[in-house]
Amino acid sequence: KAGVTQTPRYLIKTRGQQVTLSCSPISGHRSVSWYQQTPGQGLQFLFEYFSETQRNKGNFPGRFSGRQFSNSRSEMNVSTLELGDSALYLCASSPSGSRSGNTIYFGEGSWLTVV
Amino acid sequence: KNEVEQSPQNLTAQEGEFITINCSYSVGISALHWLQQHPGGGIVSLFMLSSGKKKHGRLIATINIQEKHSSLHITASHPRDSAVYICAVLSNTGNQFYFGTGTSLTVIP
Repeated sequence: KAGVTQTPRYLIKTRGQQVTLSCSPISGHRSVSWYQQTPGQGLQFLFEYFSETQRNKGNFPGRFSGRQFSNSRSEMNVSTLELGDSALYLCASSPSGSRSGNTIYFGEGSWLTVV
Repeated sequence: KNEVEQSPQNLTAQEGEFITINCSYSVGISALHWLQQHPGGGIVSLFMLSSGKKKHGRLIATINIQEKHSSLHITASHPRDSAVYICAVLSNTGNQFYFGTGTSLTVIP
């Protein structure tokens, strides 16, 4: 069974640009969650999607958004990039999401550098 | 305010030693996860706990819901155990994950 796949793995963007990151969950998993990891703040929860609906959201500004498609693939978008958005963005999938206390499976992450 | 506190932040051990990493949290939870992160970023979920104790190979995780505390133990530590270990709790209000800052473990041969 293929794991969680994130693309792209590495990218460099300029301040003010926008970026879209993609996550393909494990086959059969309907929940996808996104996290930001920085040296200063550690891991922080961004949002969770389940069956194309955003179910939970962390404390991030509206520049951070996401969506989930009918095949459970998910994308997250960051608009008007700031230097502080430089981070490792991790995606995780689980069969039915956080509410059921499932084990979560992480992708390798997308390293975003904003210059 | 950190909802999840881990200790120690850094830990160096000799191969074969018994290791304990502690996690305390301040929110009500529905589950607690122990995560392992190797250099390069990949994260693996080691355990998901809502009560009691779980064991997987040389790893043991315990949780005390009343005391809001969990421990991760590694018996007979090995250099391949060198990684960052992160405690994450799923709050029972809002269903949001809160993460500890991680414990960086180095096991010396």
